[in-house]
Amino acid sequence: DTAVSQTPKYLVTQMGNDKSIKCEQNLGHDTMYWYKQDSKKFLKIMFSYNNKELIINETVPNRFSPKSPDKAHLNLHINSLELGDSAVYFCASSPDRVLGTEAFFGQGTRLTVV
Amino acid sequence: AQKVTQAQTEISVVEKEDVTLDCVYETRDTTYYLFWYKQPPSGELVFLIRRNSFDEQNEISGRYSWNFQKSTSSFNFTITASQVVDSAVYFCALSEALNTGFQKLVFGTGTRLLVSP
Repeated sequence: DTAVSQTPKYLVTQMGNDKSIKCEQNLGHDTMYWYKQDSKKFLKIMFSYNNKELIINETVPNRFSPKSPDKAHLNLHINSLELGDSAVYFCASSPDRVLGTEAFFGQGTRLTVV
Repeated sequence: AQKVTQAQTEISVVEKEDVTLDCVYETRDTTYYLFWYKQPPSGELVFLIRRNSFDEQNEISGRYSWNFQKSTSSFNFTITASQVVDSAVYFCALSEALNTGFQKLVFGTGTRLLVSP
């Protein structure tokens, strides 16, 4: 069983479309994250949720909206996609919010906006 | 603000060579954690090690070893007798404590390691 799973793995879409990426973790973790990895491999946190509550919201355009229906799921919805949104998006989870807790990452979703 | 610097963008070695990946960090916190993650060509991120700021003992795990030195704010990673399967991008990360009590990981820009046969 995959611990942190994301769907889809690849997503190609046109500018202006709205798309969602789903993430599920079966580890029983309380905290989930979305990270963005750009073309230069730079990884930056976007959002963090703890028990369905938004904890971290970095400087991300409001076209990006995370939704956590329960603590095992954290989906990412993106409106009006732009070329610059092309990246690999990683979902991750950790047991709790405590400093030093390691994050477990999904396999990533490669989003290409054309 | 927290910062992690991996000055080596790409390193190429031949199999069986030893290689060290450098990581330098900046933080004002006295308690913090450092991590290394591996991203193989398949793309997933694999956790390798975690070290807290109060534990400066070096760690060895098989061919991997880590050297943590607070005096130089460095957490370097050495692969002994490298293998082709070690080819990947390696990320160093620092755990930043937020005033909300939560943490977030701040990643370096990664070092791409190419091991040729």
